[in-house]
Amino acid sequence: EDQVTQSPEALRLQEGESSSLNCSYTVSGLRGLFWYRQDPGKGPEFLFTLYSAGEEKEKERLKATLTKKESFLHITAPKPEDSATYLCAVQETSGSRLTFGEGTQLTVNP
Amino acid sequence: SQTIHQWPATLVQPVGSPLSLECTVEGTSNPNLYWYRQAAGRGLQLLFYSIGIDQISSEVPQNLSASRPQDRQFILSSKKLLLSDSGFYLCAWSRDRGYEQYFGPGTRLTVT
Repeated sequence: EDQVTQSPEALRLQEGESSSLNCSYTVSGLRGLFWYRQDPGKGPEFLFTLYSAGEEKEKERLKATLTKKESFLHITAPKPEDSATYLCAVQETSGSRLTFGEGTQLTVNP
Repeated sequence: SQTIHQWPATLVQPVGSPLSLECTVEGTSNPNLYWYRQAAGRGLQLLFYSIGIDQISSEVPQNLSASRPQDRQFILSSKKLLLSDSGFYLCAWSRDRGYEQYFGPGTRLTVT
């Protein structure tokens, strides 16, 4: 059974304080790893897809990286508007379903 | 561009009452469609997915059902709601397997 574990559960940063969120996973064969951002009371917003170890994707202050066992979401010089819950999900090669982690709740204080 | 709609946005229903949540997608054809439930502060649980009309897979046995009467319409139903059905219901679509899923705004359901 696919498993996704995100850490930490919650993270508080000061504006400008860079950090990383972790997503470790167990799948029989990885088709893709997905990162989403979710604001309170809203649906998740797609950020990145990573398909193979060593791949990196960037968008503004966010950079996602992938290894064979985990993915990191690096946040550089965050701003208060980056505050949200960040969700990681994996899809195995044989299926259509995404298996989600519980998310990391990020708060960036001004 | 593609858009996904869900309604209603919020719903308060008594235990034992029926349920119908609707999801429609615009700007694409033959999408894969998904229903998820999200409990407070938790990750997403896949309930149903559909790769085409009348092709629906159930992931979790419960008192909910799903139907896809049209290519871009996905409906989540229940004949009798339970307290445990409360949650945030999300509809999503993707182009095909292996592609990212795009989520709708969600329906907040409270069963009293």
